[in-house]
Amino acid sequence: GAGVSQTPSNKVTEKGKYVELRCDPISGHTALYWYRQSLGQGPEFLIYFQGTGAADDSGLPNDRFFAVRPEGSVSTLKIQRTERGDSAVYLCASSSTPHNSPLHFGNGTRLTVT
Amino acid sequence: AQKVTQAQTEISVVEKEDVTLDCVYETRDTTYYLFWYKQPPSGELVFLIRRNSFDEQNEISGRYSWNFQKSTSSFNFTITASQVVDSAVYFCALSEFNKGTSYGKLTFGQGTILTVHP
Repeated sequence: GAGVSQTPSNKVTEKGKYVELRCDPISGHTALYWYRQSLGQGPEFLIYFQGTGAADDSGLPNDRFFAVRPEGSVSTLKIQRTERGDSAVYLCASSSTPHNSPLHFGNGTRLTVT
Repeated sequence: AQKVTQAQTEISVVEKEDVTLDCVYETRDTTYYLFWYKQPPSGELVFLIRRNSFDEQNEISGRYSWNFQKSTSSFNFTITASQVVDSAVYFCALSEFNKGTSYGKLTFGQGTILTVHP
């Protein structure tokens, strides 16, 4: 079956603009995660959804970042007033249950803020 | 707070050599999971293994083996008879599983870039 799909694969935007990054998890996976990976670093946790609700958003860096998952499947990460420091690869992952299954990661969206 | 340290930033070996990637972790929790992920140039993180804190038994899967030692807080990964296709960035990660915390909330190390030359 299909894996985790993220679109777009690349996004270039100007400082101050608003962007949306989309994640399509594996069908039936209830848990969904967003991570951010800066160049040369390991991924850093941003937010975790169980179903439609954000169960843990402790990794979001500030209030410019927001994520939704209205129907419990597709999720959108939204960044307002982008800054150059937001440039990174944004990774999405899903798992079939939140407590036992390994995470399946997508290929990520590379965001570049100019 | 949790922390994962992968002290080796880059390793370069020649095909068929054995190579060990080091991982040291810090956690205050008694229940936790340890992971290794592989990130090839395509960027997708590929799950390799998960161990829980109750099970210190070493594991072997083909050319891959893992040595988990709680006494030294280490979870090292060895590739035997390395191949060019093993070239990738390898990440060690830790998840604390407390009540109300998802085990998928991982703390990653900085990664080790492994290059295997033909």
